[in-house]
Amino acid sequence: GQQLNQSPQSMFIQEGEDVSMNCTSSSIFNTWLWYKQDPGEGPVLLIALYKAGELTSNGRLTAQFGITRKDSFLNISASIPSDVGIYFCAGRYGSSNTGKLIFGQGTTLQVKP
Amino acid sequence: DGGITQSPKYLFRKEGQNVTLSCEQNLNHDAMYWYRQDPGQGLRLIYYSQIVNDFQKGDIAEGYSVSREKKESFPLTVTSAQKNPTAFYLCACSGQGVNQPQHFGDGTRLSIL
Repeated sequence: GQQLNQSPQSMFIQEGEDVSMNCTSSSIFNTWLWYKQDPGEGPVLLIALYKAGELTSNGRLTAQFGITRKDSFLNISASIPSDVGIYFCAGRYGSSNTGKLIFGQGTTLQVKP
Repeated sequence: DGGITQSPKYLFRKEGQNVTLSCEQNLNHDAMYWYRQDPGQGLRLIYYSQIVNDFQKGDIAEGYSVSREKKESFPLTVTSAQKNPTAFYLCACSGQGVNQPQHFGDGTRLSIL
């Protein structure tokens, strides 16, 4: 099955720094979702995007649905130690008539206090 | 509280043995999904069900089986035909409408004895 291209694969940053990660697809998507997964737990939904160009914030997190509908990015401002985890993008094809999602391979974020 | 519950948290399988992973939700969601997660990889879809008594194969269904006899339950059986079953298994559900986000349980880690 197809997977999204998510980058970077991992990041090691200093507390207080801003973080940016993105996902790209060769197909048009009608939904982009961003999840965070802590070790040994299930992913938790952070932000959902449904329209091209949509920019949505959730606290220090901001995500955008790309204009071309083939990409999305997630920014985290002023990182803190509890931001550590794996961040996944997920998308749904524009032609899909099911709730099936395609997942990126994840960005592992480590924050140094 | 409404949510999605997976059990057990940890499971061990002997050679030639079938094991069943439980997934129960009380969110009244129509669709349910099973994913497999391997280290450093994204989530891969095993099976999904959009309605009771109906389910479809995902990208890696070989060696797995499911049933959907009740709306709130979607058990996954890892059969002896699955030769590399060691992984983290995640169950998810989503509400009516193809654009609804998926919500995940906390996973079951399956290992080989």
